[in-house]
Amino acid sequence: DQQVKQNSPSLSVQEGRISILNCDYTNSMFDYFLWYKKYPAEGPTFLISISSIKDKNEDGRFTVFLNKSAKHLSLHIVPSQPGDSAVYFCAASAGAQKLVFGQGTRLTINP
Amino acid sequence: DGGITQSPKYLFRKEGQNVTLSCEQNLNHDAMYWYRQDPGQGLRLIYYSQIVNDFQKGDIAEGYSVSREKKESFPLTVTSAQKNPTAFYLCASSLRQDSNQPQHFGDGTRLSIL
Repeated sequence: DQQVKQNSPSLSVQEGRISILNCDYTNSMFDYFLWYKKYPAEGPTFLISISSIKDKNEDGRFTVFLNKSAKHLSLHIVPSQPGDSAVYFCAASAGAQKLVFGQGTRLTINP
Repeated sequence: DGGITQSPKYLFRKEGQNVTLSCEQNLNHDAMYWYRQDPGQGLRLIYYSQIVNDFQKGDIAEGYSVSREKKESFPLTVTSAQKNPTAFYLCASSLRQDSNQPQHFGDGTRLSIL
């Protein structure tokens, strides 16, 4: 049972444009959500998080949006840069318990 | 420089052999975790530890064992009972497991079967 789903295995975006990565979840008990970025042969790097009491959190070029009624999470990257090309994972936890990860979306930024 | 160190980066195992993957952190984190990543899949939790001398099974613990004798170390042993051990193994830590803190990851160990 996949509690966290990233339905797009890959996404291609032109440099300078907005990248939008999506994540859906099924467990209504999830109250903490994170996005990680991963380069090949490296560990994931924490990007940004949001708790369920908020619907938006910004950090520089990265903004995470949470729609609790739709059980949907998205990451916006503006403007997209070549160094943003990586695999992005969303993750969620309930009551500060173990994280559940999505399958990942490979983002490619084209010049 | 604080961080998580995993070694070795690449590891080869013969059939029927146990191998141990090392994970050390100097972040003074209480909680540590082991994940497995397979191609096209997300990270799946193998084992986790909230404090020294305590650990719990994750979602795919069969064929694996761990120990947590020191706060900074959480080695993972892949036993011969693990029938499909070829994967990318990631170790992570967080300040405490019972708080909303992000996990920080090492650079992983890729295990292959000879």
